[in-house]
Amino acid sequence: LAKTTQPISMDSYEGQEVNITCSHNNIATNDYITWYQQFPSQGPRFIIQGYKTKVTNEVASLFIPADRKSSTLSLPRVSLSDTAVYYCLVGVPTGRRALTFGSGTRLQVQP
Amino acid sequence: DVKVTQSSRYLVKRTGEKVFLECVQDMDHENMFWYRQDPGLGLRLIYFSYDVKMKEKGDIPEGYSVSREKKERFSLILESASTNQTSMYLCAILGLTGTEAFFGQGTRLTVV
Repeated sequence: LAKTTQPISMDSYEGQEVNITCSHNNIATNDYITWYQQFPSQGPRFIIQGYKTKVTNEVASLFIPADRKSSTLSLPRVSLSDTAVYYCLVGVPTGRRALTFGSGTRLQVQP
Repeated sequence: DVKVTQSSRYLVKRTGEKVFLECVQDMDHENMFWYRQDPGLGLRLIYFSYDVKMKEKGDIPEGYSVSREKKERFSLILESASTNQTSMYLCAILGLTGTEAFFGQGTRLTVV
């Protein structure tokens, strides 16, 4: 089971691009990388998932280098509403361990 | 729009009571999960179900049981509620493709 390491917290200002890096040195061949966002008193919400290279959707981009030992979630032009906890999950996306959450990164966006 | 509905948003129960937390989904997903979330401890898996009547213990199953008699409903049971089970409980569903999990709104349970 690949363990993940993320910064505990980050600060940013509105309009800036935010990059949150997740370290997963022991990632296995079949593991995917998935990011979730959680607001206070709500359940986590899926942001993006990738296996290698770059994935982009309407919300974020996910950059995965060739060795897959880390990944970076990129949030373009953040707003106050992006203040949340962001979780990086690494693993086979099925079964009991599909949703193993670490401590996450608390992003605070200032005006 | 995907719906994962937890029966209560807030619940207050007395020590020793038997408590039922219900989770209902409308996505026909096979995998369903129950977590509890506590400050500083993150989301911890209590139980997982991959099909009707099938279940697996998670990391902290003690004091809990589950029931999945129908595919769309996954119930978490606190056999005899204790104050250390005061927490936010979250239900999640995941399809076979494993791409995107959906969570319920959470039940904040207080045991007094």
